[in-house]
Amino acid sequence: GESVGLHLPTLSVQEGDNSIINCAYSNSASDYFIWYKQESGKGPQFIIDIRSNMDKRQGQRVTVLLNKTVKHLSLQIAATQPGDSAVYFCAENMNRDDKIIFGKGTRLHILP
Amino acid sequence: KAGVTQTPRYLIKTRGQQVTLSCSPISGHRSVSWYQQTPGQGLQFLFEYFSETQRNKGNFPGRFSGRQFSNSRSEMNVSTLELGDSALYLCASSLTRRGGNEQYFGPGTRLTVT
Repeated sequence: GESVGLHLPTLSVQEGDNSIINCAYSNSASDYFIWYKQESGKGPQFIIDIRSNMDKRQGQRVTVLLNKTVKHLSLQIAATQPGDSAVYFCAENMNRDDKIIFGKGTRLHILP
Repeated sequence: KAGVTQTPRYLIKTRGQQVTLSCSPISGHRSVSWYQQTPGQGLQFLFEYFSETQRNKGNFPGRFSGRQFSNSRSEMNVSTLELGDSALYLCASSLTRRGGNEQYFGPGTRLTVT
């Protein structure tokens, strides 16, 4: 089975609030983590990534946090907008094996 | 720069038939990976091709196969289709196959097996 999972299948957030999407991984050998966004009818779109030698990385309106102690990954989206409605996947990769393992995904609903 | 393209976008086949799906990577990208996406199993890695060679393979039966051409375009084939093969098949391309290289996904081919 997959080694990466998500805590919640669905998350509803008020427009303008911050969103936090969580992910747990089980393989301590994974050294690269990625967040993807998938909108209806489209393929996954890269959002942000982080390597295991970091614990935080920021992008535009997004921040990824990595806690290797508890094998936990999170994606924070600031000032959530209607266009952020999508399914978000975390994924992991081990450098010696270029296979990327995806989690099940969390659907983010934006409330008006 | 054009994105990853996949053809056809939609396909309906019957059990026992075979199907070939095509993927054209972003120009200059040499690695192509294929994934199967279903509501129950999520996104599962099928295989990865680089320089016309399969470099990595997921846990799928031998009915699933693929190849890559010298221009990096890739095809995947599923023989003796089963109802459970109904899924969205996604391909992703990246510049190299080094671990952690950013992948760009195509829109997918929606396969329905009846």
